[in-house]
Amino acid sequence: EVQLVESGGGLIQPGGSLRLSCTASGFSVRNNYINWVRQAPGKGLEWISVIYSGGGGSTYYADSVKGRFAISRDDSTNTLFLQMNSLRAEDTAMYYCAREKTSDGFDIWGQGTMVTVSS
Amino acid sequence: EIVLTQSPGTLSLSPGERATLSCRASQSISSTYFAWYQQKPGQAPRLLIYGASSRATGIPDRFSGSGSGTDFTLTIARLEPEDFAVYFCQQYGGSPYTFGQGTKLEIK
Repeated sequence: EVQLVESGGGLIQPGGSLRLSCTASGFSVRNNYINWVRQAPGKGLEWISVIYSGGGGSTYYADSVKGRFAISRDDSTNTLFLQMNSLRAEDTAMYYCAREKTSDGFDIWGQGTMVTVSS
Repeated sequence: EIVLTQSPGTLSLSPGERATLSCRASQSISSTYFAWYQQKPGQAPRLLIYGASSRATGIPDRFSGSGSGTDFTLTIARLEPEDFAVYFCQQYGGSPYTFGQGTKLEIK
């Protein structure tokens, strides 16, 4: 079955760090673009990062997280990561990973992992 | 950054009626990299339409997408009870990708 499963969310204090994981099955993360999208409670969708396919794996970020978040992947475990540093209250959201099929949209989404930044 | 503005914010219709949702971009975008998603409470978004007009796998043919340039439309021909949800448009032609703020389709 083709799927993505996120993990690693939780309650974290402002200024803290957290690493989210997104494990793929049924396809290779190396050969696909994988994105992180978040959704604050009761709000819309916000794209935050993408890692492109291939050995180089170019990465891009939304301005709201640039310099604080880092996307990476481990091809050996078929897992994507989002390292989140200097967390703020406004980073509180459900975090989804999603496969991007080049021009065919974000066709596979995980179930999400919740991150709450609060003291 | 390309801003996508969806209208209306909320659409109240009855099952069997036709729904027309709009998405306007702040600048012209390639229809190749334009999509619509459906999201139900407590669930992840689901891809409905990609490339502005192509239905994703398993999406019923009552869903259709159209448009180009700055104006895009999602049409649901005859609403079924399971279609009442929130709909988001998205452009993914280049970083930063952006989503519209969403249209809530509710039962009248």
